[in-house]
Order: sequence, then structure tokens, then C-alpha cells
Amino acid sequence: GAVVSQHPSWVICKSGTSVKIECRSLDFQATTMFWYRQFPKQSLMLMATSNEGSKATYEQGVEKDKFLINHASLTLSTLTVTSAHPEDSSFYICSARASGREHNEQFFGPGTRLTVL
Amino acid sequence: GQNIDQPTEMTATEGAIVQINCTYQTSGFNGLFWYQQHAGEAPTFLSYNVLDGLEEKGRFSSFLSRSKGYSYLLLKELQMKDSASYLCAVLDSNYQLIWGAGTKLIIKP
Repeated sequence: GAVVSQHPSWVICKSGTSVKIECRSLDFQATTMFWYRQFPKQSLMLMATSNEGSKATYEQGVEKDKFLINHASLTLSTLTVTSAHPEDSSFYICSARASGREHNEQFFGPGTRLTVL
Repeated sequence: GQNIDQPTEMTATEGAIVQINCTYQTSGFNGLFWYQQHAGEAPTFLSYNVLDGLEEKGRFSSFLSRSKGYSYLLLKELQMKDSASYLCAVLDSNYQLIWGAGTKLIIKP
């Protein structure tokens, strides 16, 4: 149990376009989902925390108008990178935390590699 | 501020034992996680410690000392597939995960 999927696995787009990444908890309800970004040879950087039905909480330095997060249901959160630029190229990973789960463990999706040309 | 320190890189030999250390200073503590991350993949859960002591799970063990702000991950009988980055993360008082930069473990035959 506790499987999280992400779609797409990888995406290549032109500068200026918008890209939507989906994160789904397949066999549990995720009250909280997290979006991370990871640049090569660096650790995970938390971008935002989203709770179902409410606005996401963004970390300092993350532009909320550029990285739109929608947590519409207990099993789905989306991250939209608007007007993407080459510097947005990165590995984007979501994780989900189940309500009442032991250890407050986060379950990670497989990640989405975004390349902006 | 919040800070988690772990070595950048370690090298070990196949079949041997390696210990990866992690020290932390965080606002509150609700547990410490170790994750394994292979290149190009998302992290996978290895262990969770919230009480002092050693937790053993097969070839992997994790130790915690809350008074010292210290943890280690012990890997025994190393295999080539253990080559990966190992991430230490602490759950702070707001139940937010604070991540270390990760330790890249290189296994040599």
C-alpha cells in the first residue's frame, strides 16, 4: 500500500509554455501533499505544502504565481509551472502524507524530470 | 536556524560495513528519517527513529541520540546496489521534514 504516482515521468517543453504535473495517491487518502524540486547533486528543496481544499503554503523564495498548486481532492494534487524557462529545468517530486498514518511518513512519487529548452 | 549535517560522500568495499552519520539542530523534533535515493529516482523510505536507541531492519540499522542531536545509518554486507545517496531528514515541531544534503555512497568491488 501507500503508492504515489506522478505524471508525466518526463517532459520537454519550449521556453514560455506551461507544464502541468499530476500527483496521485493511489491507495490512500492524502490530507497533505508536498512538492519538492531537486537540482543535480543537491538535496530535496521543499517548494510548497498543500492541504486538500485549501490554498498551498509556499516556501520562501518560491513564486506562487509561477508554480500553481491545486489540491482538489484527497488523492490528487497538481503543480503547474507557468511560463517555464530553462532555469526551471529540474526534477520535481511530490510526496503525500496519509491521515492517521504511523510515523507521519511521507510517500514519494517517482518524480518528473522537466527540461525547458 | 535549522541545520542537518551529513558527509557529502563516502566510499566502501562490497561486503563491508559502513556508517553514515547525521547531526541535526532543528526547532523541535518529531522523529528522524533515513531515505535512500538512486540517481534519477525519488527517495525511498529506509527507517524512522523517534526514541533513543538502535532500530534494526535486515542489513540496515539506524541509531538515534536525541540529547546529542545525532543519528547514524549502518549498512552491513554491502552490495553494489547499495550505491546511492542516503538522505537524513528530521520532522520538526511543525511536522515539516527538514532535509540534509545527502551522502553519496560509492561501493567498490
